Amino acid sequence: EVQLVESGGGLVQPGRSLKLSCVASGFTFSNYGMNWIRQAPGKGLEWVAYISSGSSYIYYAETVKGRFTISRDNAKNTLYLQMTSLRSEDTALYYCARVDAWGQGASVTVSS
Amino acid sequence: DVVMTQTPVSLSLAIGQPASISCKSSQSLLGTSGKTFLNWILQRPGQSPKRLIYQVSKLYSEVPDRFSGSGSETEFTLKISRVEAEDLGVYYCWQGTHFPLTFGSGTKLEIK
Repeated sequence: EVQLVESGGGLVQPGRSLKLSCVASGFTFSNYGMNWIRQAPGKGLEWVAYISSGSSYIYYAETVKGRFTISRDNAKNTLYLQMTSLRSEDTALYYCARVDAWGQGASVTVSS
Repeated sequence: DVVMTQTPVSLSLAIGQPASISCKSSQSLLGTSGKTFLNWILQRPGQSPKRLIYQVSKLYSEVPDRFSGSGSETEFTLKISRVEAEDLGVYYCWQGTHFPLTFGSGTKLEIK
């Protein structure tokens, strides 16, 4: 069974940093491109970033470009999202997602 | 960016009635591979999104065959032949052909 388990969320002040992790199991992680997708409270879904299976291709939404960094460690079956210069509008549930599978999400709240 | 326009915003249907959701993209989703990466997902209340349909019309194995997808280029439709209680939630279309990946704003299905 494919499982994606996010961690690292929390309450953080504006301008600070936070790093999310997503541990994958039940499939060969190194074969799949992965995404981070977020959902602000009561809102729809917003794609944040993508990384290809071997990390050769990386794309970001304009709203996070220059502030967020997606990475992966295929030996550890883990996907990361390093978030810096956080803003209140980054408050959301952050999902780790394959094209066909989603985690339960990690909650990030940016507030003073 | 590709804008995904979903209609209607909401549906209220009795069990056994058919449902139809439209999704239109601002540009063709036909990729250079010859494939069209238009997907449908369902987010039940309080849950993370679950996969339904990929490449316009292909159902994932666990999805009941009362669901169907159709369309091409810029116009797509999700249909449920007979709504059941477990179908309630928010349906999203999303495109994986062009970066940034983009989502429709969602259609909320309520059961009367």
